[in-house]
Amino acid sequence: DAGVIQSPRHEVTEMGQEVTLRCKPISGHNSLFWYRQTMMRGLELLIYFNNNVPIDDSGMPEDRFSAKMPNASFSTLKIQPSEPRDSAVYFCASRGQAVLNIQYFGAGTRLSVL
Amino acid sequence: QKEVEQNSGPLSVPEGAIASLNCTYSDRGSQSFFWYRQYSGKSPELIMSIYSNGDKEDGRFTAQLNKASQYVSLLIRDSQPSDSATYLCAVTGTGNQFYFGTGTSLTVIP
Repeated sequence: DAGVIQSPRHEVTEMGQEVTLRCKPISGHNSLFWYRQTMMRGLELLIYFNNNVPIDDSGMPEDRFSAKMPNASFSTLKIQPSEPRDSAVYFCASRGQAVLNIQYFGAGTRLSVL
Repeated sequence: QKEVEQNSGPLSVPEGAIASLNCTYSDRGSQSFFWYRQYSGKSPELIMSIYSNGDKEDGRFTAQLNKASQYVSLLIRDSQPSDSATYLCAVTGTGNQFYFGTGTSLTVIP
């Protein structure tokens, strides 16, 4: 299995631009999570999906952030407009059997907003 | 109060020693507990999961869970320089939410 695949690995953009991060979960996994990691705040859960349906988006910082999961094999996290304080590493994780509750992480996208 | 608390460290141990990492959690209904290792610039990698009270051993790693004290720990025996990383404790809450601690930085000195 290729694991969780995220793209791009690095993104540099200017303030005000739209940013779209992409994630392909492990095949057969039915839960998908988006996290943001910074030195100051650690790893923060932004949103998670179960069977393509958003379950908890309470971690999404504000309306500039949105996430979609149009099918079981693809999700996007969009920031519009981006701000310098959005600079962070964004991780996607997927989970298979709910009873074991184990999440597997992608390699992450390092976002820099100038 | 944060859902999961860890000492941020840094924790330094000599090569060959036992490294002890600790974590406390606030939700008494938590059922699943995990330790992830994260190397600098890399993603978190699961190294241990534990679901019931007691000890669980996997190679040089031992996870210990005490639900009455709301405490979970990770022991690394015969520490190696390659164990130098940040260790994240994660706990699932009553509503199946997933909470991470801020991590403990471990350095193993050759």
